[in-house]
Amino acid sequence: ETGVTQTPRHLVMGMTNKKSLKCEQHLGHNAMYWYKQSAKKPLELMFVYSLEERVENNSVPSRFSPECPNSSHLFLHLHTLQPEDSALYLCASSTTVTDTQYFGPGTRLTVL
Amino acid sequence: EDKVVQSPLSLVVHEGDTVTLNCSYEVTNFRSLLWYKQEKKAPTFLFMLTSSGIEKKSGRLSSILDKKELFSILNITATQTGDSAVYLCAVPNAGNNRKLIWGLGTSLAVNP
Repeated sequence: ETGVTQTPRHLVMGMTNKKSLKCEQHLGHNAMYWYKQSAKKPLELMFVYSLEERVENNSVPSRFSPECPNSSHLFLHLHTLQPEDSALYLCASSTTVTDTQYFGPGTRLTVL
Repeated sequence: EDKVVQSPLSLVVHEGDTVTLNCSYEVTNFRSLLWYKQEKKAPTFLFMLTSSGIEKKSGRLSSILDKKELFSILNITATQTGDSAVYLCAVPNAGNNRKLIWGLGTSLAVNP
């Protein structure tokens, strides 16, 4: 399998649940990203990892916790989310942080 | 403040028509402009433009950058229903290529 994959593709959770989103890239890239895409808003960058080290955290609430155990895998741990967190969460990767990013299919998250 | 503005926000055409999508930007220390196509979920990379006046072409899609007037256009000729998607424009912001400034996108619907 090639490219960037994300699981699950759809997730419905309550405000008290704990869940995790997973991203895996098979492109040999060294940088990985989490984005949030809400309706009628531009893509919002949440976190950037380069060589497994977090290099950017754009004032994201602590209820979102990223983890990058190796350069091929990226997780987004979710805890005590709010309904306004419902959105499409996209993972992307690139060779380095200055190169073109390639996106996964996204996880459609609904928080009830 | 850095920003990227796309127009029109939505467009409905018939198969065979030619469309032109616009992306204007205000970004300090401009380096490149990226076009993505987003169908259903994942944005897929189309073009990266760095030099003014040089057309990038891929099949029926082409794009050109005007660094003097600070805009880019994406042309699609002989449109097909499979071209229906949201077309996103993004520009890395000043001094930080990790962070892309995204436009809202142009939603294109091609009717048979």
